[in-house]
Amino acid sequence: EVQLVQSGAEVKEPGESLKISCEGSGYSFTSYWIAWVRQMPGKGLEWMGIIYPGDSDTRYSPSFQGQVTMSVDKSISTAYLQWSSLKASDSAMFYCGRHLFGSSGYYSDYWGQGTLVTVSS
Amino acid sequence: QSALTQPRSVSGSPGQSVTISCTGTSSDIGGYKSVSWYQQHPGKAPKLMIYDVSKRPSGVPDRFSGSKSGNTASLTISGLQTDDEADYHCCSYAGNYSFVFGGGTKLTVL
Repeated sequence: EVQLVQSGAEVKEPGESLKISCEGSGYSFTSYWIAWVRQMPGKGLEWMGIIYPGDSDTRYSPSFQGQVTMSVDKSISTAYLQWSSLKASDSAMFYCGRHLFGSSGYYSDYWGQGTLVTVSS
Repeated sequence: QSALTQPRSVSGSPGQSVTISCTGTSSDIGGYKSVSWYQQHPGKAPKLMIYDVSKRPSGVPDRFSGSKSGNTASLTISGLQTDDEADYHCCSYAGNYSFVFGGGTKLTVL
């Protein structure tokens, strides 16, 4: 069974750093892209970017380029999303998704349960 | 790129059909056969309902169908059920490894 399990909710202060995780299981982790999506309170989904665990090829949405860093540790089938200096406006729910890209299609077929990030002083 | 345009809300009665539109441009919806739709119940993760414009993943009822004409994609739900009440998000490939979502549509089953 394909599963993506994300790390738990975080409460941080402005200026702090943060790294959240997304562990994949039940499939070949290095053969599928991982997508990250933001959902601000009461709003729609926003595409942040994708990373390919096989070679760490990473593509950011222009809106998020330079604001976050995506990475993977394929030895433990885990993808990460990190911030070096959080702002209150980073408060949101973040989802990871197993993402198909290419001849097999262009969509996320499995999703993690989400990680809620709250940034407040 | 700008978000795709979806109606903020639609509604229908049990058993009826509803269609949710998703309008983009020739750089996203109009340029690729790569529109997907996601259902999201409150407090839950998105769930893939339609991919490649009109394909259904295994387990998704055939009451859900997708189509595209020009720069507009549509999701039609027939035989509405109370459990269909949720937010629906469209997404399109926009080239150069980028994707764009719509603002989401809240479906109310009256």
